[in-house]
Amino acid sequence: AQSVAQPEDQVNVAEGNPLTVKCTYSVSGNPYLFWYVQYPNRGLQFLLKYITGDNLVKGSYGFEAEFNKSQTSFHLKKPSALVSDSALYFCAVRDMTRAGNTPLVFGKGTRLSVIA
Amino acid sequence: KAGVTQTPRYLIKTRGQQVTLSCSPISGHRSVSWYQQTPGQGLQFLFEYFSETQRNKGNFPGRFSGRQFSNSRSEMNVSTLELGDSALYLCASREGTGPTYEQYFGPGTRLTVT
Repeated sequence: AQSVAQPEDQVNVAEGNPLTVKCTYSVSGNPYLFWYVQYPNRGLQFLLKYITGDNLVKGSYGFEAEFNKSQTSFHLKKPSALVSDSALYFCAVRDMTRAGNTPLVFGKGTRLSVIA
Repeated sequence: KAGVTQTPRYLIKTRGQQVTLSCSPISGHRSVSWYQQTPGQGLQFLFEYFSETQRNKGNFPGRFSGRQFSNSRSEMNVSTLELGDSALYLCASREGTGPTYEQYFGPGTRLTVT
């Protein structure tokens, strides 16, 4: 079965510093990987996805993520954090090799706090 | 394009009652999925509908059901509510059911069961 782990419940970073939110996954075949962000009292917003091709994926709001197949990781990064980036971040995976329509499986989420 | 809309945004019900939540997808999106979000369990998949047919179902009891209409709007119903059903229920739509399509989420309906 596919699964996602976000090992950190909370990440604190100073404004202007680089940030990393970690994600590791487990699938039987090859993965489709997604990052979403959730602001208070809002639904999830799509940030970026990895389907195939370049391991470095660029997304919305200056975020990027690096796919590492050998480490089964898909860490979210941003070179310079903003206070407005403070939110709950979710990593999600689909197993591309499973036949049929498979649901998106989400990690537990990581709360990012950017301190001014 | 307008985003995914969900109604109502907040709901308070009593144990044993039933509730119906509504979701209108982004125009042109024919797939609608529902998720339950709780602090303890995170985001859990309930079901997905495409062209009025349930395409996938999560591991929830039969008290949770859904349907999709010809205009792609979807409803989910929870019967015989339990305290543990208190959660944020999120609806998401996407253009198709292929695995590369990302989902777009609505703001959610916060259900409180007392």
